[in-house]
Amino acid sequence: AQSVTQPDIHITVSEGASLELRCNYSYGATPYLFWYVQSPGQGLQLLLKYFSGDTLVQGIKGFEAEFKRSQSSFNLRKPSVHWSDAAEYFCAVGPFGYNKLIFGAGTRLAVHP
Amino acid sequence: GAGVSQSPSNKVTEKGKDVELRCDPISGHTALYWYRQSLGQGLEFLIYFQGNSAPDKSGLPSDRFSAERTGGSVSTLTIQRTQQEDSAVYLCASSPLTSLETQYFGPGTRLLVL
Repeated sequence: AQSVTQPDIHITVSEGASLELRCNYSYGATPYLFWYVQSPGQGLQLLLKYFSGDTLVQGIKGFEAEFKRSQSSFNLRKPSVHWSDAAEYFCAVGPFGYNKLIFGAGTRLAVHP
Repeated sequence: GAGVSQSPSNKVTEKGKDVELRCDPISGHTALYWYRQSLGQGLEFLIYFQGNSAPDKSGLPSDRFSAERTGGSVSTLTIQRTQQEDSAVYLCASSPLTSLETQYFGPGTRLLVL
């Protein structure tokens, strides 16, 4: 069965520090991959997505993610975190021909000033 | 342009009552999805519409849950005889077509069953 694992439930970083959020998936082929962010009381906003091609994907708000087929991973990175990045981050996969997204459990990010 | 809207934003109901949750997708989006976000289960897929048809209802947790979509636009998720375990945030998303398309999410309806 398809699944998504986000190993870190909570992460705390200092403002200006770099960030990496981990995501691993289990699927027989390469799925479509997404990162969403959810601020308190808000819906989900798409940060970036990977369908094919260049394995390093640029997104909004200065985020990027790298697809590594050999590791079945799609980790999200940001070189310098801002206080406004505090939110919950969800990795999701859409299996080929998908009509639904399968989400990880989420990683809650706290940013210290 | 306008995004996905959902109403009500919050709903408190008593156990055993029926509730209706509404989703207005982005105009022109043919695909519509319902998800549920709860503390114990994370984000779960419930049902998918393509136009007015629902080819995938695999995520509906019981026959108390049903959904319809009319005119290829507005969708209503109905929960009959609500139970406390139905308490969650119900999220709606839409996309222009299906497959390969990004899903755009609404702000959700927070349901509390007392």
